[in-house]
Amino acid sequence: QSALTQPPSASGSPGQSVTISCTGTSSDVGGYNYVSWYQQHPGKAPKLMIYEVSKRPSGVPDRFSGSKSGNTASLTVSGLQAEDEGDYYCSSYAGSKILIFGGGTKLTVL
Amino acid sequence: EVQLLESGGGLVQPGGSLRVSCAASGFAFSSHAMTWVRQAPGKGLEWVSDISGSGGVTYYADSVKGRFTISRDNSKNTLYLQMTSLRAEDTAVYYCAKALTGSRARDYWGQGTLVTVSS
Repeated sequence: QSALTQPPSASGSPGQSVTISCTGTSSDVGGYNYVSWYQQHPGKAPKLMIYEVSKRPSGVPDRFSGSKSGNTASLTVSGLQAEDEGDYYCSSYAGSKILIFGGGTKLTVL
Repeated sequence: EVQLLESGGGLVQPGGSLRVSCAASGFAFSSHAMTWVRQAPGKGLEWVSDISGSGGVTYYADSVKGRFTISRDNSKNTLYLQMTSLRAEDTAVYYCAKALTGSRARDYWGQGTLVTVSS
């Protein structure tokens, strides 16, 4: 299984919106509604931000939203804040109990 | 409060073995599948292995199949990863993570333990 494709970087100014894409295939992203997004700050553990494409765990601000179209999933962060800066990883179920991750996107708040 | 605490990482020579552990608390451990995910220095996340709540079903990434063994002791609320025939490319921070029931997401992660394979 190949890793999902994410842009290496994204940026936006405080208050703006930014969208990070995650492209896979019909065997993973396109085939299942099991896309998750994780935020990771330097030296810290990943934190679940979005699961099952668009669901937010308790405690995650509603500024974070997820969607999917075909083989591409997207994470949108609205009203950017300084604390949103970090690395973001998508993941998808890929059948046969396999989980795959994207290469990660470094989000910079300008 | 859910807590996952990894331990057992360290420096090991190529070809060697190591077992890392993950002590869980704050939730019904035996009711949840658990996962190991690793992250090589400066790199992205890589799924390594899953185990069912009972421990009876396990899954592995191709990169570790035949070399790593995931297990759990539900009486001790502890998850394990036995690693053998270690290679330089296994060098990474190893995270344990709890599976979100009914989903493929992992909703809680430990802080990780660093495994370095080097001579």
